[in-house]
Amino acid sequence: DTEVTQTPKHLVMGMTNKKSLKCEQHMGHRAMYWYKQKAKKPPELMFVYSYEKLSINESVPSRFSPECPNSSLLNLHLHALQPEDSALYLCASSQDPRQTSNTEAFFGQGTRLTVV
Amino acid sequence: KQEVTQIPAALSVPEGENLVLNCSFTDSAIYNLQWFRQDPGKGLTSLLLIQSSQREQTSGRLNASLDKSSGRSTLYIAASQPGDSATYLCAPFKAAGNKLTFGGGTRVLVKP
Repeated sequence: DTEVTQTPKHLVMGMTNKKSLKCEQHMGHRAMYWYKQKAKKPPELMFVYSYEKLSINESVPSRFSPECPNSSLLNLHLHALQPEDSALYLCASSQDPRQTSNTEAFFGQGTRLTVV
Repeated sequence: KQEVTQIPAALSVPEGENLVLNCSFTDSAIYNLQWFRQDPGKGLTSLLLIQSSQREQTSGRLNASLDKSSGRSTLYIAASQPGDSATYLCAPFKAAGNKLTFGGGTRVLVKP
C-alpha cells in the first residue's frame, strides 16, 4: 500500500472562514510534507515534519498552520485566507527523514482549494 | 538554493515515437532524483527513483539516467501511447534539508 489520502478533495471557503485539510498515510513513514501548487506551476514546499516535529517552514504566512498529531496524520489549518491562496494543496510522505538515498516520496491526490 | 530546469516545456509527438525529457539541477549534493507524472488537476504519481550512486533505472517502457556530477537526468519513454499524455516533473532530493525541489515540468501530448 503506497497510498496517501487527502480530504476533502475540493474546498470552497470564504475569507473569514476557518477550515482544515487532512492527510493520512499508513505506510509507517516518518516524514510528511505540505506542498502548494498553482495552476501550470510546479509544487512548492510549504512545511516538512520529521518524526512528528516541524523541521522546515518555508516562510509560509501564519494564516496556514500545520499540525502533526501522530505519525500517520498531518493537518493544515486555514484561517483568514486570501483569494490568491487558491491552489491545489498536496500532501506527501517518505520513509526516512534521515535522508537515505532510497527514500521515495509518495503524494496524495490533493485538495483543490478555492477562496472566495 | 537548488534550481531545477526541465527542457522542453512542452512536447507533442505522434503515437509510437520515443520521448526524451531533460532535467538539469544546480546543486549536485543530492541523495536521489524522482520522476513524477501529473495528470491535469490530479496529484503526483511516482514513476522512477534513481539513487545518487546509480547511473540508470528502468521500469517497463521508462528509463531514467542520472549524471550527478554534471547535474543532469533524462527520462526516456519508449513507444509512446496516448495514455502517456501528462505533465512530467523531475525532483532532486537534496541531501540537506529533507527537500524535494521540482522542475517546471514537461507537458507531453501523444497524438493517436
